[in-house]
Amino acid sequence: EAGVAQSPRYKIIEKRQSVAFWCNPISGHATLYWYQQILGQGPKLLIQFQNNGVVDDSQLPKDRFSAERLKGVDSTLKIQPAKLEDSAVYLCASSTGTGTGELFFGEGSRLTVL
Amino acid sequence: TQLLEQSPQFLSIQEGENLTVYCNSSSVFSSLQWYRQEPGEGPVLLVTVVTGGEVKKLKRLTFQFGDARKDSSLHITAAQPGDTGLYLCAARRLISGYALNFGKGTSLLVTP
Repeated sequence: EAGVAQSPRYKIIEKRQSVAFWCNPISGHATLYWYQQILGQGPKLLIQFQNNGVVDDSQLPKDRFSAERLKGVDSTLKIQPAKLEDSAVYLCASSTGTGTGELFFGEGSRLTVL
Repeated sequence: TQLLEQSPQFLSIQEGENLTVYCNSSSVFSSLQWYRQEPGEGPVLLVTVVTGGEVKKLKRLTFQFGDARKDSSLHITAAQPGDTGLYLCAARRLISGYALNFGKGTSLLVTP
């Protein structure tokens, strides 16, 4: 079974530029998550989707970050404009539901903002 | 808001030693999970605990969920270099729905 796919793996941009990350979850997984992991810290939840609806986006900086999950399958996370403090690994995860189930993570997209 | 406090933050030990890492909070959780993350990879689930006082064993790893469901510990017996990684606890609060929040992690290095 294919795992969670993310792209690109690495991205370097200058501050004030924009960037987009793509995630394709495991087939059949209804719930999709985007986490931000800054070096030396644990993942911080940015947004959680159930199918194509938003369950939790309370920690998403909505003035610069946006995410969508059209058709309830793959998802994109966009940052515009980027700031230096956005340098991090952006992890996508999926699960079958919202209970005690396991989250399956992709390898992440590492963003460096110069 | 960081709901989960993990300690120690860093741990460097020699092969064969035992260790315990802790995950504490003032909140009550409906369930708690432990993940391990290696460099350049996403976290991978080790265990889920649901019942207060629950103890689960996974080979040389022993996980315990506190009676009040506010804390957890992970004990590794006879650590091996392959145990090296970032150990993360993650939990969902009892009253706030399904958001899975992570602690900052314990970075473990086991040297031969």
